Amino acid sequence: EAQVTQNPRYLITVTGKKLTVTCSQNMNHEYMSWYRQDPGLGLRQIYYSMNVEVTDKGDVPEGYKVSRKEKRNFPLILESPSPNQTSLYFCASSTQGGEQFFGPGTRLTVL
Amino acid sequence: GEDVEQSLFLSVREGDSSVINCTYTDSSSTYLYWYKQEPGAGLQLLTYIFSNMDMKQDQRLTVLLNKKDKHLSLRIADTQTGDSAIYFCAESINAGNMLTFGGGTRLMVKP
Repeated sequence: EAQVTQNPRYLITVTGKKLTVTCSQNMNHEYMSWYRQDPGLGLRQIYYSMNVEVTDKGDVPEGYKVSRKEKRNFPLILESPSPNQTSLYFCASSTQGGEQFFGPGTRLTVL
Repeated sequence: GEDVEQSLFLSVREGDSSVINCTYTDSSSTYLYWYKQEPGAGLQLLTYIFSNMDMKQDQRLTVLLNKKDKHLSLRIADTQTGDSAIYFCAESINAGNMLTFGGGTRLMVKP
């Protein structure tokens, strides 16, 4: 089944404790991205990647890192999480210019 | 900069038509999208329209685009309780990859 998976789905952590949210797609898509969703603000793009080893900042990259060592994986790294990073995070993938497929979301709470 | 705006809530009765509106500011937008997000799920692409089109119909969904006023609407005919969700409009300049989302409209369908 073609899909985008994210892990974990739910995470509660404390300020400053490094964490990684994984994202994997099995559709051989070149393009992958991370969004955060906050009430009334819709989805805002954090980082995106056009292909392996090619990443760039989206609209709200501060406090986040990403890597794209393999085509299928695009992990989101929070080196020192803060409470303002409490949010719902979505990973998405697509072919160049194609429909974006979204993962199921990761709800992160930073205490 | 780019800005996409939607009203926050819409409530309709089952069987009525729903109209969800969206305005955008980037006149170079070439693709405009409607996504649906059901509770606890990711985003699902409902439909999209190219900027050189005025209208697109797909079963119960009708998308109207007024490019002069930068106004996009989604009409759902014969609204059902299963249509209750958050609806996001989004725009992109390039096909699909760099999306700017509105804040989302929560549609509530009353039996």
